[in-house]
Amino acid sequence: QSALTQPASVSGSPGQSITISCTGTSSDIGGYNYVSWSQQHPGKAPKLMIYQVSNRPSGVSNRFSGSKSGNTASLTISGLQAEDEADYYCTSYTGNSTWVFGGGTKVTVL
Amino acid sequence: QVQLVESGGGVVQPGRSLRLSCAASGFTFNSHAMHWVRQAPGKGLEWVAFISYNGGTKSFADSVKGRFAISRDNSKNTLYLEMNSLRAEDTAVYHCVRDLSTKYTLDYWGQGTLVTVSP
Repeated sequence: QSALTQPASVSGSPGQSITISCTGTSSDIGGYNYVSWSQQHPGKAPKLMIYQVSNRPSGVSNRFSGSKSGNTASLTISGLQAEDEADYYCTSYTGNSTWVFGGGTKVTVL
Repeated sequence: QVQLVESGGGVVQPGRSLRLSCAASGFTFNSHAMHWVRQAPGKGLEWVAFISYNGGTKSFADSVKGRFAISRDNSKNTLYLEMNSLRAEDTAVYHCVRDLSTKYTLDYWGQGTLVTVSP
């Protein structure tokens, strides 16, 4: 149950696009299409942004998109806005009713 | 709207026990699996435990296996986490999280309750 690997921080200017990577193994990301991404603002509960690799829950902006290649999943935020500044966590199902999170990525809007 | 409200946190000495509760509303509780996820101060998220919609399947992170127990009372729309043999490293905010049924996804999160393990 080792944590998935995410960059500690990513930054971009308003209007730009950024991509956050999440690297695992064939036992988690590579083995299942059950990767999700959550956003957490300081002092708040996380909010689901992407599930099953690339699906957006109702109400989530289409500026958020997800993808996966092999053992690495990615979250792209296009048209970066000030409100997107937050921590982002990837999550993957790992089989036998267990899950694992990434270490988290702090997104800064310059 | 979906609401998950945790309670039961507090300060506890190492080696002691604590039980957390999570009151659910705004959805059909007995149709959804549930999770507990924790976040140590200033740290990232750590998945802790899972229970299926009817309590028939339970699973735990290696870090808490054998010390924590998860249960639910569908008649009361309530999820529980029984924590035994607590350690300093169990200090965290504990979140109750709904599972997006059949999609292996944690969707709605409660605000969490803080557990501090300290002498």
